[in-house]
Amino acid sequence: KQEVTQIPAALSVPEGENLVLNCSFTDSAIYNLQWFRQDPGKGLTSLLLIQSSQREQTSGRLNASLDKSSGRSTLYIAASQPGDSATYLCAVNFGNEKLTFGTGTRLTIIP
Amino acid sequence: DTEVTQTPKHLVMGMTNKKSLKCEQHMGHRAMYWYKQKAKKPPELMFVYSYEKLSINESVPSRFSPECPNSSLLNLHLHALQPEDSALYLCASSQDTPRGSGANVLTFGAGSRLTVL
Repeated sequence: KQEVTQIPAALSVPEGENLVLNCSFTDSAIYNLQWFRQDPGKGLTSLLLIQSSQREQTSGRLNASLDKSSGRSTLYIAASQPGDSATYLCAVNFGNEKLTFGTGTRLTIIP
Repeated sequence: DTEVTQTPKHLVMGMTNKKSLKCEQHMGHRAMYWYKQKAKKPPELMFVYSYEKLSINESVPSRFSPECPNSSLLNLHLHALQPEDSALYLCASSQDTPRGSGANVLTFGAGSRLTVL
């Protein structure tokens, strides 16, 4: 079964610190992986998309990496800000026309 | 226009009502999706439309009926729902289906919050 797991479920970090969010998936034969953020009661905002042929993608203070062989992706957030507080979801395209979402990490940045 | 617009934002309905959720995008995307999200859970795929044809139905009960009138619009018709169907319903679109090119970013709408009494 193709599954996506995110640990921890919740994370609190003081403002200004760098942090890493983790995503694990069970099948290394993926098309791509996408990171989203979701604010409470809102829709999802796409942050980064990594193709299966790529090792990482960067956007501003965000850097996402992909290691297919180990079935892992990380989202690195530099110099965290209170506005970064949200739930972060990774979603994997296993090549079956749909995304499989992880369970999410609820991030709180403490001012 | 780089948005997916969903209406209504909030909907309260009784178990005998018939209502519809609407989703619209003008980005020329050829794939559109309905997801259901319960509180503190990840989104669950319900339906995928590819080039206006239903390509995936994730064994969704028939009380949910999707419709894609044209390439920009996606509806979800609701009838005889149960209280456990209360959730946030998210619409999304992508340039192509996830298998099509491997380079598809999903763009989500803000969601329709449904409460079934």
